[in-house]
Amino acid sequence: EAGVTQFPSHSVIEKGQTVTLRCDPISGHDNLYWYRRVMGKEIKFLLHFVKESKQDESGMPNNRFLAERTGGTYSTLKVQPAELEDSGVYFCASSPADRGEQYFGPGTRLTVT
Amino acid sequence: QKEVEQDPGPLSVPEGAIVSLNCTYSNSAFQYFMWYRQYSRKGPELLMYTYSSGNKEDGRFTAQVDKSSKYISLFIRDSQPSDSATYLCAMSEWPDSWGKLQFGAGTQVVVTP
Repeated sequence: EAGVTQFPSHSVIEKGQTVTLRCDPISGHDNLYWYRRVMGKEIKFLLHFVKESKQDESGMPNNRFLAERTGGTYSTLKVQPAELEDSGVYFCASSPADRGEQYFGPGTRLTVT
Repeated sequence: QKEVEQDPGPLSVPEGAIVSLNCTYSNSAFQYFMWYRQYSRKGPELLMYTYSSGNKEDGRFTAQVDKSSKYISLFIRDSQPSDSATYLCAMSEWPDSWGKLQFGAGTQVVVTP
């Protein structure tokens, strides 16, 4: 069974540009989560989808971040416009319905210059 | 004060020794507890998960949860050089905000041959 996949693995953009990260969860997992880790800090929660609906978006830092989950399958996280402090590793995770244990993808390393 | 405290290490042990890792937390609403292993430049890999208190064993790994002390532990028996990685504890409330994992800082473990 394929795990959580993320694309791209690494992105380097300039301040003010737009970047879109993609996550494909494990097949059949209703729950999809986004997290990020900035340099020297713990992994922090961003938001949680149940199928196509946002269950909890309390961790989204500001309105420059937009997450979508089309048809309850893959998800995208768009940052527009990107700022220097957005640099970090963005992780996606998924879990089956009504199960708390989360399986993580390899992450996308975002560098904003 | 952080909700989840974890000593960043590094923790160095000889091959074959028992690795003992722990986290403390302050939020009494945490019910779901997980341990992840993360190799450099990779995503967190789920090792163990437990709901509420008690012990759980899986191969060389044993997870313990003591909710009265707000303290969780992970033990790795017969450690191998391939166990060298960063170990992260994570926890969430249940049922409210159950998808929002709070992570510790991670403990770096080095197993020397």
